[in-house]
Amino acid sequence: AQTVTQSQPEMSVQEAETVTLSCTYDTSESNYYLFWYKQPPSRQMILVIRQEAYKQQNATENRFSVNFQKAAKSFSLKISDSQLGDTAMYFCAFSAGGTSYGKLTFGQGTILTVHP
Amino acid sequence: DAGITQSPRHKVTETGTPVTLRCHQTENHRYMYWYRQDPGHGLRLIHYSYGVKDTDKGEVSDGYSVSRSKTEDFLLTLESATSSQTSVYFCAISDDRAQPQHFGDGTRLSIL
Repeated sequence: AQTVTQSQPEMSVQEAETVTLSCTYDTSESNYYLFWYKQPPSRQMILVIRQEAYKQQNATENRFSVNFQKAAKSFSLKISDSQLGDTAMYFCAFSAGGTSYGKLTFGQGTILTVHP
Repeated sequence: DAGITQSPRHKVTETGTPVTLRCHQTENHRYMYWYRQDPGHGLRLIHYSYGVKDTDKGEVSDGYSVSRSKTEDFLLTLESATSSQTSVYFCAISDDRAQPQHFGDGTRLSIL
């Protein structure tokens, strides 16, 4: 079974600064996918970024980028130029390839607060 | 936004009553999932479906059953609700198991 650990229950950052959220995972799979989802107070689950394990290049989406360290089983999210709208709970999630049918395993979440 | 509708959005019921939550999608996606969200646990998979009448158990399936008689609908049933099933329930869909899942807005279920 896979496990996903987010060791930072809460983080805070000043507007326009950079913050990094940590995520580690444990798996014996070689083919898998990693995701970061954002959950604002509205409760919606919004995909932030996706990384395929077979790709060495770190994924980026505008102000969001990841540092994917496959050997260390680490998948951190960096948010640059933080905005007030980035305030949310962030979840790291893992999906094995093969016949897992895309089942997601989530971490416990990190609450990020962006201060003006 | 992906066309996913969960109903009801909120429900309060009593212990021992049956409860059915509905997830309806207009995207014709093959894969559908039910998760529950509890403080300190993130989201945990209850059941999932990989096609009409094809379903399987997830991590926390005890006390829950599902049905999928049409591509667009995935029902989650609590046969006899217990207070431990008080939670926020999310439905998700994807058109390929390698693709990200898109989530509904959730159902807040309170069992007294």
